[in-house]
Amino acid sequence: QVQLQESGPGLVKPSETLSLTCTVSGGSISHTSYYWAWIRQPPGKGLEWIGSVHYTGTTYHNPSLKSRVTISVDTSKIQFTLHLSSVTAADTAVYYCARDSAQGSIAARSFDYWGQGTRVSVSS
Amino acid sequence: DIDMTQSPSSLSASVGDRVTITCRASQTISSYLNWYQQKPGKAPKLLIYGASSLQSGVPSRFSGSGSGTDFTLTISSLQPEDFATYYCQQSYSTPRTFGQGTKVEIK
Repeated sequence: QVQLQESGPGLVKPSETLSLTCTVSGGSISHTSYYWAWIRQPPGKGLEWIGSVHYTGTTYHNPSLKSRVTISVDTSKIQFTLHLSSVTAADTAVYYCARDSAQGSIAARSFDYWGQGTRVSVSS
Repeated sequence: DIDMTQSPSSLSASVGDRVTITCRASQTISSYLNWYQQKPGKAPKLLIYGASSLQSGVPSRFSGSGSGTDFTLTISSLQPEDFATYYCQQSYSTPRTFGQGTKVEIK
């Protein structure tokens, strides 16, 4: 059973960089069919996809976050990491990591395994 | 970006009711539509992928249909554990986008 666990600071100061790590257990991070994603949810609001990374290093991210997002993968540690720079109060949210996999005859992609989420507040 | 619009935003229903939630995409997404269930304080859980395929382990009272721009999630007989918020999400293109959610509450 694949499990994902987020880790990182729960409080970040404005203008600083938010850094979170997701550790994957119970499965390979280096499977060609999988991407590894970050998704966030501001308090009382809906879900926002931040970006995804493949074990080869290929990344996709949400243009709404412009150039503030960096997602990387460390296959030796079976981890992937999110860096979000120049944070503001608007970046306060629960951050989830998830596995982005392809299933079915049309290889439909979906987020099939999720971490429990980690709450990050941006405040001085 | 592809906008995903769910309706209704919330609904009240009783145990045993048939519940239908709709999701509309701002452009065609073929069958690249997923449904998730989220309970308070918990991570979302994948219910349906590819518009109509039931994720392993999900009860058969959940079903999905649709293609193109219009999609439906149906719960055939609402159970107490189904009271939650439901989200649709498109995987046709990036950025991946979610609907705003539909909260299913107890009547």
